[in-house]
Amino acid sequence: AQTVTQSQPEMSVQEAETVTLSCTYDTSESDYYLFWYKQPPSRQMILVIRQEAYKQQNATENRFSVNFQKAAKSFSLKISDSQLGDAAMYFCAYRSAYNNDMRFGAGTRLTVKP
Amino acid sequence: DTEVTQTPKHLVMGMTNKKSLKCEQHMGHRAMYWYKQKAKKPPELMFVYSYEKLSINESVPSRFSPECPNSSLLNLHLHALQPEDSALYLCASSQGPGIETQYFGPGTRLLVL
Repeated sequence: AQTVTQSQPEMSVQEAETVTLSCTYDTSESDYYLFWYKQPPSRQMILVIRQEAYKQQNATENRFSVNFQKAAKSFSLKISDSQLGDAAMYFCAYRSAYNNDMRFGAGTRLTVKP
Repeated sequence: DTEVTQTPKHLVMGMTNKKSLKCEQHMGHRAMYWYKQKAKKPPELMFVYSYEKLSINESVPSRFSPECPNSSLLNLHLHALQPEDSALYLCASSQGPGIETQYFGPGTRLLVL
């Protein structure tokens, strides 16, 4: 079974600085999708960024970018120019390309200091 | 438009009550999902409907009964719940099975007394 590991329960960053959240996963599948979701205190899960495993190029969405290392099974999220509104729980998620199963990591709580 | 709506936002029920959670999307998505999320934990998949047919049931107790009346609507019927079933229940949808991003609703916060 696929597993997703987020080794940082909590992270803190100063406003306007850059922070990187780590995620590793374990799978024997060759085709899959990786996601970062953000969950603010309102509890709504918001998609931040997605990466297809077959793409070598790292995904980027404005201030958010990933470092996808397929061989190392690593998928980190970099947030540049951190803003107060970035404070939330961040979940890394793995989704098989062969079924509807999606697995989440335990989450990293990000605090942004003014 | 990537909106998934859920009603009610909050629900308090006794262990003998019967209630239903509702989820709706109008994005033409053909796969819909129910997740359960306990405090400070990640979401756990409960059910998946693909083209209005139940495709995954993650060994959820029978006191939870899903229903997909049509491609836009997903219900979760609750009966004889236990206090440990108190959680945030999230609905999500995706364009199709297997390949597309899941978009989440705001959730229903359930308290079982």
